Amino acid sequence: DGGITQSPKYLFRKEGQNVTLSCEQNLNHDAMYWYRQDPGQGLRLIYYSQIVNDFQKGDIAEGYSVSREKKESFPLTVTSAQKNPTAFYLCASSASQGEQPQHFGDGTRLSIL
Amino acid sequence: GENVEQHPSTLSVQEGDSAVIKCTYSDSASNYFPWYKQELGKGPQLIIDIRSNVGEKKDQRIAVTLNKTAKHFSLHITETQPEDSAVYFCAALNNAGNMLTFGGGTRLMVKP
Repeated sequence: DGGITQSPKYLFRKEGQNVTLSCEQNLNHDAMYWYRQDPGQGLRLIYYSQIVNDFQKGDIAEGYSVSREKKESFPLTVTSAQKNPTAFYLCASSASQGEQPQHFGDGTRLSIL
Repeated sequence: GENVEQHPSTLSVQEGDSAVIKCTYSDSASNYFPWYKQELGKGPQLIIDIRSNVGEKKDQRIAVTLNKTAKHFSLHITETQPEDSAVYFCAALNNAGNMLTFGGGTRLMVKP
């Protein structure tokens, strides 16, 4: 089945550490996105990538970094500069820029120890 | 930038009743409006969407209406069932087609 796989489902980080969240898709989609979701709130865009080797900042990019070396992969690194990293992180993809809808993975829940 | 407001934040209905969730948006250039359903611990799933060139779209028990002049759109669920209980999000796509802005979500509870 085609879809988006996020791993791990739960992740714990010590203060001061960087941590990387994985997102893989086999939908052959060009565009990929990372969102952050806080309890009881909507989704906020962190970064998006319209094509391999290109990515753009979303509304809340500070403290995060991404790479897009392969079409199917768009990992997100939560750096130590992100002061409030505890959240539910969602990855999505769409066929291309401007093409909708976006399809979502099942998320990674990041917690600080 | 785009701002999307969603109401109500929680909605409780009796099984079989209808549920309506409303969203307003600020950018008149927005042209695509999806609705997502999110169950606990899962990612959002698209349930219906509408583009700016139509005023209404229906899929079985779910319908969406769009009023471009007033910049608001609504989700209608008829004959609600307990499995409709979830959090629902509306969103609006900017004119460039590269950013979705989400509403704050509505927790729908359908009581058997």
